[in-house]
Amino acid sequence: AQSVTQPDIHITVSEGASLELRCNYSYGATPYLFWYVQSPGQGLQLLLKYFSGDTLVQGIKGFEAEFKRSQSSFNLRKPSVHWSDAAEYFCVWAPGGYNKLIFGAGTRLAVHP
Amino acid sequence: EAGVAQSPRYKIIEKRQSVAFWCNPISGHATLYWYQQILGQGPKLLIQFQNNGVVDDSQLPKDRFSAERLKGVDSTLKIQPAKLEDSAVYLCASSLAVSGPLTQYFGPGTRLLVL
Repeated sequence: AQSVTQPDIHITVSEGASLELRCNYSYGATPYLFWYVQSPGQGLQLLLKYFSGDTLVQGIKGFEAEFKRSQSSFNLRKPSVHWSDAAEYFCVWAPGGYNKLIFGAGTRLAVHP
Repeated sequence: EAGVAQSPRYKIIEKRQSVAFWCNPISGHATLYWYQQILGQGPKLLIQFQNNGVVDDSQLPKDRFSAERLKGVDSTLKIQPAKLEDSAVYLCASSLAVSGPLTQYFGPGTRLLVL
């Protein structure tokens, strides 16, 4: 079955430290990939997306992600985390380019001061 | 630009009661989606509309869930009768069209608790 795996359920980092959230999708000829963030009481906000082209994509709030087809991965990174980044992060996959989104289970990020 | 609007934000009901949620998508967005997000999980698509027609309702529990999008704008999602396992956040999203990898914009959600 088509699926998205986020292996880390919870991650805790110190403010100012670097961050990498892992994501793998099961298979797909032309994957369309997204990262969304969900803060408490807030709706899902798009951080960045990959459709084609440069495999390193830049997003909002200083986030970036790298698509690696050979590893079926789309990891999210940020060089220096801020306390306001504490939230839940979802890796999302649209297999085959259609608009049916498949969400990972999410990674909850906590930031220590 | 106004975002996706949803109401109510919170709802508490007893099992076997009925409940309805309302969504108003971003103006001009032809495609509307309803998702169910159970605590600790990612959202799962329930139903997708293109204008006022259903594109995908394969994961909608049709014995108790129904949805409509009259006039191709606002949409309502109904649960009748509700079960304890329906406790979740119900998210509405919209996008410009159904074809291609278009970005979906999400509303704040309706948090449902079934007692």
